[in-house]
Formats: sequence, C-alpha cells, structure tokens
Amino acid sequence: DAMVIQNPRYQVTQFGKPVTLSCSQTLNHNVMYWYQQKSSQAPKLLFHYYDKDFNNEADTPDNFQSRRPNTSFCFLDIRSPGLGDAAMYLCATSRSRTDNSPLHFGNGTRLTVT
Amino acid sequence: EDKVVQSPLSLVVHEGDTVTLNCSYEVTNFRSLLWYKQEKKAPTFLFMLTSSGIEKKSGRLSSILDKKELFSILNITATQTGDSAVYLCAVSFQGAQKLVFGQGTRLTINP
Repeated sequence: DAMVIQNPRYQVTQFGKPVTLSCSQTLNHNVMYWYQQKSSQAPKLLFHYYDKDFNNEADTPDNFQSRRPNTSFCFLDIRSPGLGDAAMYLCATSRSRTDNSPLHFGNGTRLTVT
Repeated sequence: EDKVVQSPLSLVVHEGDTVTLNCSYEVTNFRSLLWYKQEKKAPTFLFMLTSSGIEKKSGRLSSILDKKELFSILNITATQTGDSAVYLCAVSFQGAQKLVFGQGTRLTINP
C-alpha cells in the first residue's frame, strides 16, 4: 500500500546532541510537511517542501532544519535539541499545493530529550 | 493571526451516548475545514468540508460546516469505546496546502 513511513517510531536523544528524523513516501506526492505536536497541543507546522522548494514557517526556530534529497525522502534535523523540543513529530504529504485533498500523515516519531 | 478553536477540550460520556464536538475558526483565505481522529499515532482523516450546509456522513459520524458563522460540528451517535480519541479540526487555505489545527477535543467513552 502507498504510504508515509516515519522512522524511528521512538527516538531518545541527549540535550544538545544533534538528531535526525526521517520520512519516506511511496505516494509520489510533490509536497512534504513536518509538524511538531507537543503533549496535549495541536500539531504545528514547522516547514514544508514543494518539490525542492523549501518553505519555512516564520516562527520555526533556527535549531530546526530540513533536507529533501529526492521526492521520496525528507529529513528533519534538530541541531541542538533542548528539553522543550520533546514532542511527536509528524510528517505528511500532499499531491500539490493547489490540490484540495487531505494530507496523508505518517505515524509520527516521538522524540524524548534527556 | 489565523485561529482554530475547538470545544470542549475534554469530554467523557457513556457508551451509547451521542456527542457533538465544536470547531470555530478565524482565518484569511479559507478553503476547507477538515476533521481528523487521532489515537496514539498519526491523525486519520474523517471529513473535509468546503461548502456550507452540506452534511457529510460516514456511519455514525457526521459533520457540517457553516461558513457564515465560521464553525463546524462533528456528531457521533451511539458512541462506542473505540471512538475514544482526540478529534482534531483543521483549516486549509487557498493557494497553500498547509493546515492550521485546533487544539483538539479529547473524547473518552466509558463502557
């Protein structure tokens, strides 16, 4: 089945130690998104790629970076994780910016910072 | 600032009850309103509403949008324990596929 896959499901990192979360998709969608969802809060968009075009949200901290080496893969890099970065990180895809179809979400990576 | 507000934040009912979840929004360039169900993983899509007054229905779940009053409701009839989840409302925008989410309603169905 075509899907959005996030690895790992659970990630533990140390305060200040760089960490990378990965997302892959078999849907051949042009747009890939990263959302951050802290405990009992709404998912919040960090950034998205439209093809290779990177779009950062205005309030996304510089500590968060992303890479999309090809259509299928997208990475979220947290350069120096703080305790406040502990959250569920959700990757999602959509066919295009203008296509009005629901986003397809992966199962998320739950990040713990010790 | 674009805003999506859900109420109540938390709801506990007994199996078999009917519940109504609310979502109001204040956004520019509104396109659609979406409902998602989230158990302990990724949100799963329930409904997308674009036009006012047209009810969308799937089994025991239904939803409707009022674009004049800027809100939507999600109804669940004859609730079951498997309906326990966080229900998220989100808004999409013209010319952009990003979603802005509400904070969710945590629904607990007790047997």
